[in-house]
Amino acid sequence: GNSVTQMEGPVTLSEEAFLTINCTYTATGYPSLFWYVQYPGEGLQLLLKATKADDKGSNKGFEATYRKETTSFHLEKGSVQVSDSAVYFCALSGKGSEKLVFGKGTKLTVNP
Amino acid sequence: GAVVSQHPSWVICKSGTSVKIECRSLDFQATTMFWYRQFPKQSLMLMATSNEGSKATYEQGVEKDKFLINHASLTLSTLTVTSAHPEDSSFYICSAIASGRGTDTQYFGPGTRLTVL
Repeated sequence: GNSVTQMEGPVTLSEEAFLTINCTYTATGYPSLFWYVQYPGEGLQLLLKATKADDKGSNKGFEATYRKETTSFHLEKGSVQVSDSAVYFCALSGKGSEKLVFGKGTKLTVNP
Repeated sequence: GAVVSQHPSWVICKSGTSVKIECRSLDFQATTMFWYRQFPKQSLMLMATSNEGSKATYEQGVEKDKFLINHASLTLSTLTVTSAHPEDSSFYICSAIASGRGTDTQYFGPGTRLTVL
């Protein structure tokens, strides 16, 4: 079945540091890939997504590229801020399906 | 826009009792809502898909008689944990897809922490 593996946290960075959170997936066919973010006390919010190979999703300075050859969708940001502190979830949905399969989540803490 | 609320945000109950959790889409209509369960340091696991006006579709391994789902209107779905036991203690999260927006984006509620004593 479909599955998502993302790097375990927690991750602690200083402000303006570079961020990478690794995510790899196993799926049949061509799934859609997502990154969700959960800020403290709030529900998950869609951060970015990509629906086909080589697509790059981007939002709020975050980027992730759909790499079919390495089955990866790593999240990156060039310069993190304290306000980026949250839990980040990588997820996929199978072609034609609305169901999401999530990774375990990575907690990011950014210190001033 | 696209706000989903859950009530209560946390609940403690005794073993053997039933607990109802509400999921509401506040500013949009949702023909489809999803219920997830999340254990500490684990990913969200889809429990069931709730469609307005029809029976919920449960994922393999989820007991439909224990986790009753009702999606009676386009803005409300409820999850009732019947005869709750300590192993049902978990974080329950709902999400909703906005009807007619031509997108499959799911909007998530903040979650409900259930503790069964």
